[in-house]
Amino acid sequence: DTVLTQSPALAVSPGERVTISCRASESVSQRMYWYQQKPGQHPKLLIYAASNLESGVPARFSGSGSGTDFTLTIDPVEANDTATYFCQQSWNDPTFGAGTKLELK
Amino acid sequence: QIQLVQSGPEVKKPGESVKISCKASGYTFTQAGMQWLKQAQGKSLKWMGWINTNTGKTTYAADFTGRFVFSLETSASTAYLQITNLKNEDMATYFCARGYHGYNYPFAYWGQGTLVTVSS
Repeated sequence: DTVLTQSPALAVSPGERVTISCRASESVSQRMYWYQQKPGQHPKLLIYAASNLESGVPARFSGSGSGTDFTLTIDPVEANDTATYFCQQSWNDPTFGAGTKLELK
Repeated sequence: QIQLVQSGPEVKKPGESVKISCKASGYTFTQAGMQWLKQAQGKSLKWMGWINTNTGKTTYAADFTGRFVFSLETSASTAYLQITNLKNEDMATYFCARGYHGYNYPFAYWGQGTLVTVSS
């Protein structure tokens, strides 16, 4: 299985810029996706194919990377962005990262 | 709009079986495969596999063979996940999901999740 390693929990202040990283154990080309999950809800797709913004998702969210290293950037962070963020690859059978819990100061 | 509506929470004893439904609406059911995912409390997501809603062909991830069965009731636009011989480690929220038309990924549309509690 392709293992995805995410950065640990982060705490930022509203208005700041935050980057969440995801490293794959092997190249997944650009078959990387990012999801936001709030407690009690299903994951919500934010970014597909590494850098494409899903329809309806605010432009504050952006994604970049290819191969093994990927980032999700939120700029500026808003209070409503408190959530856990997961990366997921589909180069091989789908796997998810462990999640990065974003908290606001 | 596209919606996936899952059946309600279940409480089962070890060794029992459970069958979760996922009813699709807002699109032609056979135009998109149905994926199944597991999320234990406080954990990440695990992809269980998927069922081709056009042919009924199933694909199971390595960790979900034997006790897990995907099925369809196409006339009702509904997909099912059955788990037999439940174990404590099956306690989790199960999601159905689908991709964009013609593609399995990403998981663009999700059911609300079904919590399965396994307790003696």
